[in-house]
Amino acid sequence: EAGVAQSPRYKIIEKRQSVAFWCNPISGHATLYWYQQILGQGPKLLIQFQNNGVVDDSQLPKDRFSAERLKGVDSTLKIQPAKLEDSAVYLCASSPLAGVGEQFFGPGTRLTVL
Amino acid sequence: DQQVKQNSPSLSVQEGRISILNCDYTNSMFDYFLWYKKYPAEGPTFLISISSIKDKNEDGRFTVFLNKSAKHLSLHIVPSQPGDSAVYFCALYSGGGADGLTFGKGTHLIIQP
Repeated sequence: EAGVAQSPRYKIIEKRQSVAFWCNPISGHATLYWYQQILGQGPKLLIQFQNNGVVDDSQLPKDRFSAERLKGVDSTLKIQPAKLEDSAVYLCASSPLAGVGEQFFGPGTRLTVL
Repeated sequence: DQQVKQNSPSLSVQEGRISILNCDYTNSMFDYFLWYKKYPAEGPTFLISISSIKDKNEDGRFTVFLNKSAKHLSLHIVPSQPGDSAVYFCALYSGGGADGLTFGKGTHLIIQP
């Protein structure tokens, strides 16, 4: 079974530029999560989708971050404009069902904002 | 404010001995607890979990203990092996409609030969 795929793996941009990350979850997984992991911290949830609907985006900085999950499969996370403090690893995870259980993580996208 | 605390940023253990990683939490609403392991340049991978109705769960070399009254959980690895060298995160789930996990900052475990 293929795991969660993410691209790109690395991205370097200048502040005020925009950037987008892509995630393909494990086939059949209804729930998809985006986490932000700043160096030295644990992952922090940004947004959770159930199929193509948003369940929780309370920690997403909506003035600059947006995310969508068209057709309930792939998802994109966008930052526009980027700030220096957005430098982090962006992790996508999926799980077969909502609720308690294991979440399967992709390898992440490392973003550096200069 | 940190709801989940892993107070040891790093831990060094000799191969073959027991590794004990600790995690404290403040919110009594957390009712399901997981441990994830992370190697460099990879995403976290699930290791073991425990429900709040239990105080111990064992899977091979890995055992998780939960002390709800103290709001404390620990992960025991015995015997420790070189491949166990990684960053370990405790992750807590509080239920409700949203089920994103709340992670600690992680503990870097180093197994020395």
